[in-house]
Amino acid sequence: DGGITQSPKYLFRKEGQNVTLSCEQNLNHDAMYWYRQDPGQGLRLIYYSQIVNDFQKGDIAEGYSVSREKKESFPLTVTSAQKNPTAFYLCASSPRRDRRLAGENIQYFGAGTRLSVL
Amino acid sequence: SQQGEEDPQALSIQEGENATMNCSYKTSINNLQWYRQNSGRGLVHLILIRSNEREKHSGRLRVTLDTSKKSSSLLITASRAADTASYFCATDAYGNTGKLIFGQGTTLQVKP
Repeated sequence: DGGITQSPKYLFRKEGQNVTLSCEQNLNHDAMYWYRQDPGQGLRLIYYSQIVNDFQKGDIAEGYSVSREKKESFPLTVTSAQKNPTAFYLCASSPRRDRRLAGENIQYFGAGTRLSVL
Repeated sequence: SQQGEEDPQALSIQEGENATMNCSYKTSINNLQWYRQNSGRGLVHLILIRSNEREKHSGRLRVTLDTSKKSSSLLITASRAADTASYFCATDAYGNTGKLIFGQGTTLQVKP
């Protein structure tokens, strides 16, 4: 099956702990994104990467870090500096801009990871 | 910062009725997209309308775009209980590096 896999589905963080959320895709997409969703809210962009070994901060990058060592993988680390990490985290991917149909940036989402604080 | 604003925030209708939700945005766009999210799940792309299009149809979905008013609407006709979900608009801003800006969403409940 082609798609985006996020793991784990549920994650609990202790105070002062860093935790890493996994996102893997086999769609051969160049661009990948991490979003945070709070209850009853829309999506806010944390980080995004248009190509391997390159990534940019989104609107709410503080307290988070990412890496993009492989095209298929874009893990997100929620660091202890993120004081309010409880949220639903969504990963998405899309073809690189110059390879998209008529410039369309349609994103494909994983099923999400729900992070809570113990 | 969030660009899209949607209304209503919540909508409850009976099966068979039509559902209309609206989205407003602030800057020039390449296109506007609508996504659906079932409770506790990821988003699924529904339909995309380009900045030079005014209306688009896909099955029971009808999307309109008014770039002069910077607004869009999504109409779901003959709704079904399975349409119960949250619906988000997302704008691909003109000249943007590839980010989508999502609205706050409209939660639709379709009662059987």
